[in-house]
Amino acid sequence: GAVVSQHPSRVICKSGTSVKIECRSLDFQATTMFWYRQFPKKSLMLMATSNEGSKATYEQGVEKDKFLINHASLTLSTLTVTSAHPEDSSFYICSAREWTSYEQYFGPGTRLTVT
Amino acid sequence: DAKTTQPTSMDCAEGRAANLPCNHSTISGNEYVYWYRQIHSQGPQYIIHGLKNNETNEMASLIITEDRKSSTLILPHATLRDTAVYYCIVRVGGATNKLIFGTGTLLAVQP
Repeated sequence: GAVVSQHPSRVICKSGTSVKIECRSLDFQATTMFWYRQFPKKSLMLMATSNEGSKATYEQGVEKDKFLINHASLTLSTLTVTSAHPEDSSFYICSAREWTSYEQYFGPGTRLTVT
Repeated sequence: DAKTTQPTSMDCAEGRAANLPCNHSTISGNEYVYWYRQIHSQGPQYIIHGLKNNETNEMASLIITEDRKSSTLILPHATLRDTAVYYCIVRVGGATNKLIFGTGTLLAVQP
């Protein structure tokens, strides 16, 4: 149990285009989901917290207009990287918090490459 | 937020116990210690967590000092597949329960 999926696992896009990444909790309901990004050989950096049915809360320094987050249901959150640039190339990881506990379960990550 | 300090890297021989230390001297009384690991190019995997008592599960044991200022994660019989970055995290309280990752320890299990 407690499986989180991400789609796509890898994506390559051209500079200036937008990319959507999906995060799904497959066997539990998640009122809260978290989005992280990770650069090579670096730790995970929390970008934002999304709560089902409300606006996401962004960490300091993260542009909310560039990284659009939608959490429309208890099993799905999406991250859209708008007008992507090569510096947005990174490993994006989501996690989902099961609504009856404090436990967070992580997705497998999405590798974004912007050319 | 309570900060954690971990060694950058450690080696361990296959089949031996791996003991990974973590310092969290500013931990608050109601903050838990969590351990996750991340194998290369994968999402983090939950290992274990504790408040003040020692904990054990099928993956590992967690030893927390009496003053709670430090802890040790023990993998009793390390295998090559345990090679990963291990993160010790003190969980932030509050409704969102954010996990803030530090730099972690790269454990290299040697054959």
